[in-house]
This record gives sequence, structure tokens and C-alpha cells, in this order.
Amino acid sequence: GQNIDQPTEMTATEGAIVQINCTYQTSGFNGLFWYQQHAGEAPTFLSYNVLDGLEEKGRFSSFLSRSKGYSYLLLKELQMKDSASYLCAPVDSNYQLIWGAGTKLIIKP
Amino acid sequence: GAVVSQHPSRVICKSGTSVKIECRSLDFQATTMFWYRQFPKKSLMLMATSNEGSKATYEQGVEKDKFLINHASLTLSTLTVTSAHPEDSSFYICSAKTPGQEGTEAFFGQGTRLTVV
Repeated sequence: GQNIDQPTEMTATEGAIVQINCTYQTSGFNGLFWYQQHAGEAPTFLSYNVLDGLEEKGRFSSFLSRSKGYSYLLLKELQMKDSASYLCAPVDSNYQLIWGAGTKLIIKP
Repeated sequence: GAVVSQHPSRVICKSGTSVKIECRSLDFQATTMFWYRQFPKKSLMLMATSNEGSKATYEQGVEKDKFLINHASLTLSTLTVTSAHPEDSSFYICSAKTPGQEGTEAFFGQGTRLTVV
């Protein structure tokens, strides 16, 4: 079957760094997305990894290891507006995004 | 990036009535659109894949006669919740991909909060 595993909730302090891990099992693999979703809103695109390694984009970076079925999203210089859910979504052999329940990130002052 | 517009953002309807939700790709032609449902604190659940000019492909457990999907043009897909019941209350989100680019990001509409009273 297909499975996504992320922590349900994480708490971090404003200005700090946080890493959100994601392990996955899918039927085939065609890359992995990270999305941010604020409560009551639709998800917004953060990153897409298809090759192993780290992709850096401003305060956000995403890492992928295909052999380990593992990815993480790294958020630096945390701001209060970063409080949201972060969704890891690998793409299967049918190019369908497989969604996990996401990680709710709480930022404290 | 590409823009997908979903309307309405919020709707309240009475039990037994039908509600139509529109999803438009504003600056690209979307041969395929996706309809999701999301319960509070839960993941996005794919309901169906909408293909322009053909019947939608529904996921297992989704009633096609209750959730009518029409993808009449390359820029518009509609989801109609028929004979709505309170348990249909949820957050519905559409997304679309730019054609010919498998594996690229899906652009999401703003979502529709449906409340059935």
C-alpha cells in the first residue's frame, strides 16, 4: 500500500530552525512535493524534489533520499506566520499526489 | 505561477438541495483537474479526477451520482453536490496541472467551505 508518515504536531520558537521529517512508501515514485496549508485555506506550493539532495529556496530547504524513502523540510529563521500545517506529498507511478495528514507547526514567541 | 480560481469560497445550504462549485484555470488550459475533500485536521482526500471532454474518474467509495463532476472546457470543471446532507459539510478543494508536464506542481483553488444545515 501507499503510506506517508509525518509527525502530527511540532512546536518551535520564533527565530529558530525546525526540521519536519517525512517517510513514504508509494507504488512507484515521481518526485515529492511539500506544501504549506494555513487553517481554512488551500495548500500552497513550497518545493518539489525529484533527485536526491538538498534544494534551498530562501528560508525553506527540502531534502530527498529516494533510496531511504525519506524527505525533510527545513525552515530557518522562523516567523510567526510560518505557523501552519506542512504537507508531504510524494507522486506515485500514475503521477498522482499521495497526501499525508500533514504536520501542524506551532511557532511560539 | 499558474492561477486556479474556485468559487464560491463559502456556501451554506439546506439539506436536500444541490450546490455547484466551480474551478477555473485562469491562465492555462487544464486537461485534468482534481477534486479533493478535507475534514478538519485530516489529509486531503482525492475524490475524483476530472478529464476534459470525458467522464470523471472517481476514487473508491465516492458516490458518482452524488458528486457530479463536469469538465466541459479546458478551463472549467464543476463539482455539484446533489441532495446535500449535513455529513457532506466539508472543505472542498480543486487543483489543476499544466498539461504535458507530469509530476509538476498542482495549482490549487482557494477551496470551498460547504456547510449543510
